[in-house]
Amino acid sequence: DAKTTQPTSMDCAEGRAANLPCNHSTISGNEYVYWYRQIHSQGPQYIIHGLKNNETNEMASLIITEDRKSSTLILPHATLRDTAVYYCSDANAGNMLTFGGGTRLMVKP
Amino acid sequence: KAGVTQTPRYLIKTRGQQVTLSCSPISGHRSVSWYQQTPGQGLQFLFEYFSETQRNKGNFPGRFSGRQFSNSRSEMNVSTLELGDSALYLCASSLKQAYNEQFFGPGTRLTVL
Repeated sequence: DAKTTQPTSMDCAEGRAANLPCNHSTISGNEYVYWYRQIHSQGPQYIIHGLKNNETNEMASLIITEDRKSSTLILPHATLRDTAVYYCSDANAGNMLTFGGGTRLMVKP
Repeated sequence: KAGVTQTPRYLIKTRGQQVTLSCSPISGHRSVSWYQQTPGQGLQFLFEYFSETQRNKGNFPGRFSGRQFSNSRSEMNVSTLELGDSALYLCASSLKQAYNEQFFGPGTRLTVL
């Protein structure tokens, strides 16, 4: 079973920020938080990862709570091409990702 | 730089048969991981290879096996196929073994009849 829980689906207006939450109820001290997304018929695409500090890259920002039990992926200006299923995972040094059902994000014009 | 390639893209087998899937990682990547993705179970880790050695293994039966060659290309084998093995099998490569992004291939869609 997946170790993380996410809402099944979310909508976002084009150009607005999309905030996708994830609960990491069993995360341990040496596990990182990873976010990937998957567009239909393609393999997952890496977005961002972090340990305990907030992170930002050209695609998104990652907010991790102080107790590390939850994280939020922020797409600052969502576009139609951001429509995808977004997965969060916590993984240790072994690169062993585990995804649950993910959040289906629909960006609408 | 070419991405991760997987062959074949689609495969239909019958119960009891065996299957071999192939993965070519991004040039220079030495870590290759295999995953099984199904609608019911999501994405589950199968195993990871680094420099021809299996470093980590997920919770799958021994019917699932893999190997990595000296050029980092990897194969996974499933013997005595069962209906429940129908899934999308994804290969991912990364530059380092730990704490970094993985680049996924498009997957092999296996259907067991």
